[in-house]
Amino acid sequence: KQEVTQIPAALSVPEGENLVLNCSFTDSAIYNLQWFRQDPGKGLTSLLLIQSSQREQTSGRLNASLDKSSGRSTLYIAASQPGDSATYLCAVRPTGGGNKLTFGTGTQLKVEL
Amino acid sequence: GAVVSQHPSRVICKSGTSVKIECRSLDFQATTMFWYRQFPKQSLMLMATSNEGSKATYEQGVEKDKFLINHASLTLSTLTVTSAHPEDSSFYICSAFTGFNEQYFGPGTRLTVT
Repeated sequence: KQEVTQIPAALSVPEGENLVLNCSFTDSAIYNLQWFRQDPGKGLTSLLLIQSSQREQTSGRLNASLDKSSGRSTLYIAASQPGDSATYLCAVRPTGGGNKLTFGTGTQLKVEL
Repeated sequence: GAVVSQHPSRVICKSGTSVKIECRSLDFQATTMFWYRQFPKQSLMLMATSNEGSKATYEQGVEKDKFLINHASLTLSTLTVTSAHPEDSSFYICSAFTGFNEQYFGPGTRLTVT
């Protein structure tokens, strides 16, 4: 059974700092990995999707990397802003035609002024 | 882009009553929709997979007679929480799968059972 873990569970940084969020998964047979942002009481916003054949994806100040063999992904946020404060979730989709996502435990980020 | 809506966004109901939550894909057809449940400060747990025109597939531990799912069209799936109890209070999120790469998520429904 796939298990997805995110470290740290919570993180507080000053504005402007670069930061890295970590996601690890136990089964490397994944089709893709996705990073989401969730604001309190809201749904999910997709940030980046990395196919299993890719090593990284970038969007603006965000860069996500994937090392499938070691079961790890990182989300790098450059020059953090208070508006980046949210919970960040990673999720993996398995190979073999399954469409289910297994979500990580989440990292709650707070960027302070 | 692909937009998924949920209705209602918030609902309060009395213990023992039933409540229906709708999930709609607004600008695309979704052969598959997923229902998730999220407790405070926890991650999303998949409850069931809903395929248009067929019975839903429930995850282990989810009571199918309590959480009734209907996927009557390619743009609408409904989740009915029957005989709700306070422990059913939670944040319910649906997602719609286009058949290609991504699931698109709705904004969620906050259910409070008093």
